[in-house]
Amino acid sequence: GQQVMQIPQYQHVQEGEDFTTYCNSSTTLSNIQWYKQRPGGHPVFLIQLVKSGEVKKQKRLTFQFGEAKKNSSLHITATQTTDVGTYFCAPILSSNTGKLIFGQGTTLQVKP
Amino acid sequence: GAGVSQSPRYKVTKRGQDVALRCDPISGHVSLYWYRQALGQGPEFLTYFNYEAQQDKSGLPNDRFSAERPEGSISTLTIQRTEQRDSAMYRCASSSSGNGPRKFFGPGTRLTVL
Repeated sequence: GQQVMQIPQYQHVQEGEDFTTYCNSSTTLSNIQWYKQRPGGHPVFLIQLVKSGEVKKQKRLTFQFGEAKKNSSLHITATQTTDVGTYFCAPILSSNTGKLIFGQGTTLQVKP
Repeated sequence: GAGVSQSPRYKVTKRGQDVALRCDPISGHVSLYWYRQALGQGPEFLTYFNYEAQQDKSGLPNDRFSAERPEGSISTLTIQRTEQRDSAMYRCASSSSGNGPRKFFGPGTRLTVL
């Protein structure tokens, strides 16, 4: 079945350092979404990637979809304390259902 | 409504009791999802509706779990004969359609089975 590996599981950085989380799938994906969950909060949608090799930017966040549509990454430049939380990738299994299977998440801690 | 709401926010029950968790999606949203999230883990898919039709229930752990959405709006997730292993955060999400758009999550119901 569909398996998604997200690495690393945890990351501690100093404020101002960069951060990257990777999401790897065993099968080719239709789409992939990224969510952020703050401590004590609920997942909040960040972005959806659809096309092979797609790169999207949101301020300091850069999202990338691999050429083979089997992996994705989220890169944060110059982290801030507001970036703290858990970042989940969520591949969509089928373009018909929109069913999301979440990765294990990467928890980011930022030291001020 | 302004967002997805869930009730109750917290539920403590004794083992063997039945519980019903409610989800009120964003008005007009076609698709509704139920997830379960253990501490430190990602949301685990349980089931999914388009309108009132249950499209996929492959994630329901066993036959003690059921869900309905009779009028295509509010949904109820029912757990019968609760067990301690059912303790978790149960989250509901909705989207305007099933074909990939963003999911809006509710605040969740924290279920504790004693």
